Amino acid sequence: GAGVSQTPSNKVTEKGKYVELRCDPISGHTALYWYRQSLGQGPEFLIYFQGTGAADDSGLPNDRFFAVRPEGSVSTLKIQRTERGDSAVYLCASSPAGGLGTDTQYFGPGTRLTVL
Amino acid sequence: GDSVTQMEGPVTLSEEAFLTINCTYTATGYPSLFWYVQYPGEGLQLLLKATKADDKGSNKGFEATYRKETTSFHLEKGSVQVSDSAVYFCATVTQGGSEKLVFGKGTKLTVNP
Repeated sequence: GAGVSQTPSNKVTEKGKYVELRCDPISGHTALYWYRQSLGQGPEFLIYFQGTGAADDSGLPNDRFFAVRPEGSVSTLKIQRTERGDSAVYLCASSPAGGLGTDTQYFGPGTRLTVL
Repeated sequence: GDSVTQMEGPVTLSEEAFLTINCTYTATGYPSLFWYVQYPGEGLQLLLKATKADDKGSNKGFEATYRKETTSFHLEKGSVQVSDSAVYFCATVTQGGSEKLVFGKGTKLTVNP
């Protein structure tokens, strides 16, 4: 079946602009996660959704970052007033249920964001 | 908070050599442990996992055993192939807590023919 998909695959923007990154999870997966991976580093957690609600947003670096999942499937990560330090690969993952800490998270290919 | 310390690379081996990549963790609760792999040009994918002490995860000839007494989850393979060249990440999730994966920094493995 289809895996996690993310669009766009690449996004180049100018400092100060607004960007939206989209994630389509695996059908039926109730848990959805956003991570950010900088060059040469492991992914870092941003936010976790269980259904439509954000169960843990402790990884969002500041109030320029916001994410939504209004119908419990597709999610959008929104970044306002982008800065050069926001440049990274943004990864989305989904899992069947969440809540137990044992589920496998399935990752999408990522969106590479470059802020000039 | 939870953390993972992973053997830093890069690691370069010849084909058929034995591989060990060390991983230790700290966790406030009861963790599940994972190894993810990122092949060149591809996304992160699960290699193996273990969810309780003494469990052994295995896949594609790779193995790792969840050792609570040493807080370790070292990745091993008896005979590596060129196709194993990739970046390997150790990760943990605390059961019953937030679902966030906490990753190590990754170990880049290159296998030469």
